[in-house]
Amino acid sequence: AIQLTQSPSSLSASVGDRVTITCRASQGISSALAWYQQKPGKAPKLLIYDASSLESGVPSRFSGSGSGTDFTLTISSLQPEDFAIYYCQQFNSYPPITFGQGTRLEIK
Amino acid sequence: QVQLVESGGGVVQPGGALRISCAASGFTFSSYGMHWVRQAPGKGLEWVAFIRYDVSSKYYADSVKGRFTISRDNSKNTLYLEMNSLRAEDTAVYHCAKDRSTILLRDFDYWGQGTLVTVSS
Repeated sequence: AIQLTQSPSSLSASVGDRVTITCRASQGISSALAWYQQKPGKAPKLLIYDASSLESGVPSRFSGSGSGTDFTLTISSLQPEDFAIYYCQQFNSYPPITFGQGTRLEIK
Repeated sequence: QVQLVESGGGVVQPGGALRISCAASGFTFSSYGMHWVRQAPGKGLEWVAFIRYDVSSKYYADSVKGRFTISRDNSKNTLYLEMNSLRAEDTAVYHCAKDRSTILLRDFDYWGQGTLVTVSS
């Protein structure tokens, strides 16, 4: 199974900051990667698919990049509603579909 | 708009069985693959199972293979997960999720809020 490792596991930042979260795959997955945001008690929400495509309705301050084994999710200017947990997910090689362990983004 | 509503969760004893459901609306259910994803309390997301739109393919996580069965009724726009030989480690919120693709496994563009399954004596 392909393992996804996110870094950092947690992150403190302020409103207006630029934030980058990294996801590394244990083997190449081309661009078959998605990013999700999850707030407490809520279902995950798709932000980015195919490594860099912005899901409809998602603010443009979110962006994704990378291919192969190294990927990043960037939030250009943090807003109060962005404090949440972020997960990457690969769908290149399955089963199983795998998720990263999550990155908790907290208010500084 | 797309809605996925899970039901059927509850408390079950170790070794017991439970069937949970996911009612879909707002899209052509019979055209898309569907998944179950679970989240243990305070933990991350774990993919559980997938069923193709036409039921021709089913995939399972190793942790549930042989114990869980995914199925669907396209005439009722409903997805199911039959869970047998339940263990304490199966305790989680179970989400159904719609695959973006009609054929392949891809990202999940819509999720339900989930139903809590607790395995405890």
